[in-house]
Amino acid sequence: TQLLEQSPQFLSIQEGENLTVYCNSSSVFSSLQWYRQEPGEGPVLLVTVVTGGEVKKLKRLTFQFGDARKDSSLHITAAQPGDTGLYLCAVRSNQFYFGTGTSLTVIP
Amino acid sequence: KAGVTQTPRYLIKTRGQQVTLSCSPISGHRSVSWYQQTPGQGLQFLFEYFSETQRNKGNFPGRFSGRQFSNSRSEMNVSTLELGDSALYLCASSLAGQASGANVLTFGAGSRLTVL
Repeated sequence: TQLLEQSPQFLSIQEGENLTVYCNSSSVFSSLQWYRQEPGEGPVLLVTVVTGGEVKKLKRLTFQFGDARKDSSLHITAAQPGDTGLYLCAVRSNQFYFGTGTSLTVIP
Repeated sequence: KAGVTQTPRYLIKTRGQQVTLSCSPISGHRSVSWYQQTPGQGLQFLFEYFSETQRNKGNFPGRFSGRQFSNSRSEMNVSTLELGDSALYLCASSLAGQASGANVLTFGAGSRLTVL
């Protein structure tokens, strides 16, 4: 079983639409990170959330850490083709654990 | 400053062969970790090296090994290749070890291994 479950696994939307992806676990974490991986590249860190209930915004991306620090969501407003990629959540203990990933395709 | 560099970017091997992949971390970063990425299993931790010492190891067979040199560059080796070893192998570097708080991983572009 995966420590971090992400949903949906695949998402294909039109440019301009809004979307939310989720990262869930039954464990409590001190912090959680979101990465985006574009085709042919390695993952790139987008944000780190550390406080339960914390909301962070990065332009059109809004990240929220659950109150109980077991889950997180990523909301994208007015998606653009440049948002296409694999979104990964990750947590750290003695090593980094990555979620199953959400593959997003934004169609122009 | 230069990012994390992985070589080679693509390689094709046959079953039973061995392969060595290289990773040059960001200057000043002492921790290098390796991951295997496949469509079915996602991103799986292989091992981490810090100051030439293996700090942590994931759940992979002994055919997977690695090392780190005094300049922090790292190599990983896979012996007796199997078809299931086909994957994208990613290297990430960080200032401190993975267990350190507020740690950030910087990934290379990966080495795409195909085993025929």
